[in-house]
Amino acid sequence: NAGVMQNPRHLVRRRGQEARLRCSPMKGHSHVYWYRQLPEEGLKFMVYLQKENIIDESGMPKERFSAEFPKEGPSILRIQQVVRGDSAAYFCASSPPAAVGNTIYFGEGSWLTVV
Amino acid sequence: AQKVTQAQTEISVVEKEDVTLDCVYETRDTTYYLFWYKQPPSGELVFLIRRNSFDEQNEISGRYSWNFQKSTSSFNFTITASQVVDSAVYFCALSEETSYDKVIFGPGTSLSVIP
Repeated sequence: NAGVMQNPRHLVRRRGQEARLRCSPMKGHSHVYWYRQLPEEGLKFMVYLQKENIIDESGMPKERFSAEFPKEGPSILRIQQVVRGDSAAYFCASSPPAAVGNTIYFGEGSWLTVV
Repeated sequence: AQKVTQAQTEISVVEKEDVTLDCVYETRDTTYYLFWYKQPPSGELVFLIRRNSFDEQNEISGRYSWNFQKSTSSFNFTITASQVVDSAVYFCALSEETSYDKVIFGPGTSLSVIP
């Protein structure tokens, strides 16, 4: 799982600022997933993307959150006008294309702290 | 709907004891995949195992073993002769064929191995 690269590892933002979290999938992987882990809680699915397409965003909050995975470059999870409740660890994962049931491999996470 | 239950929130064992972490899942799909991930105190997520719904053979990897019982919808994880380095949060997870590899996690079991 060391191949999934996330940055920054730690990010501090003041309330009302924007947070951008980046994720480069493992080489050869074209599927990217974002998960959020709130303090003392498990991992919650947020969004599933393929290149230039959002496949499933059923776990994304309706406002302030967006995600993209452009043709070139990393996937970006963007949180606008952050609030204290957005403080969490955000994990990106990737998997190869084709058959379902692939193992998804996680990056090391990005810890967002909103002050 | 899919659901993963890990009834044990926290477990403490003394080093060298065996410990079993329970996982019960719910799914309507006939084809699905089960996973275990480890999250050590450093925070990253480490993939441990993936099983598909058609393979009920138990698996052993060193001190780790997994018992998949479709009849009881369980996928339990046993650590033999536990070590302090096993201290971590362990997540059981499920993905369904119809869910594009979206992995749904259980709430996790926090294991503390006391020297």
